[in-house]
Amino acid sequence: GAVVSQHPSRVICKSGTSVKIECRSLDFQATTMFWYRQFPKKSLMLMATSNEGSKATYEQGVEKDKFLINHASLTLSTLTVTSAHPEDSSFYICSAPEGQAGGYTFGSGTRLTVV
Amino acid sequence: GNSVTQMEGPVTLSEEAFLTINCTYTATGYPSLFWYVQYPGEGLQLLLKATKADDKGSNKGFEATYRKETTSFHLEKGSVQVSDSAVYFCALRMNSGGYQKVTFGTGTKLQVIP
Repeated sequence: GAVVSQHPSRVICKSGTSVKIECRSLDFQATTMFWYRQFPKKSLMLMATSNEGSKATYEQGVEKDKFLINHASLTLSTLTVTSAHPEDSSFYICSAPEGQAGGYTFGSGTRLTVV
Repeated sequence: GNSVTQMEGPVTLSEEAFLTINCTYTATGYPSLFWYVQYPGEGLQLLLKATKADDKGSNKGFEATYRKETTSFHLEKGSVQVSDSAVYFCALRMNSGGYQKVTFGTGTKLQVIP
């Protein structure tokens, strides 16, 4: 089936630095990719929808200048957490649609820890 | 708006016990319904799905039936194993064309003890 590869799986960075998370669709083209953030003991919160070749659509309350999303090709979407702070520490997951009637394929997630 | 309500966990069961995780939803229209599973330290994996009323999704011994009359999609398994320990998310997606947002429940942690 469809596979989305997400890297890195874990990253620890210093406060004030930027971190880039990549999601690649390995055997299909993903014109749309979704970025989620998962808080402890809470569900997934949709942060933004990235569309190949156009600007991402951000959900209300998500800072677009802090969470930069780029979807430059049909197989790659990136999320860059800029000037990271400890409160940005979280589990970030990307996903891509499998099809009109199907579900979504998820990446394996990235555990970001900002110290 | 759309919403998904799951039973709060954690749910702790002994091996070979019967599992039910309740899930109800509210939606304007006719959603597709999903169960996702998240094993420790990993991302989400699709467990099963149902796209219309009365459909039954099944996988790895898990089942869920799309009940329109009760707006429910409860997850069941007849005999759980330790390896089933994970967090289970119920989710819905609208069948209105294009790629719609998926609405997730808060997740239910299942712990199976030997």
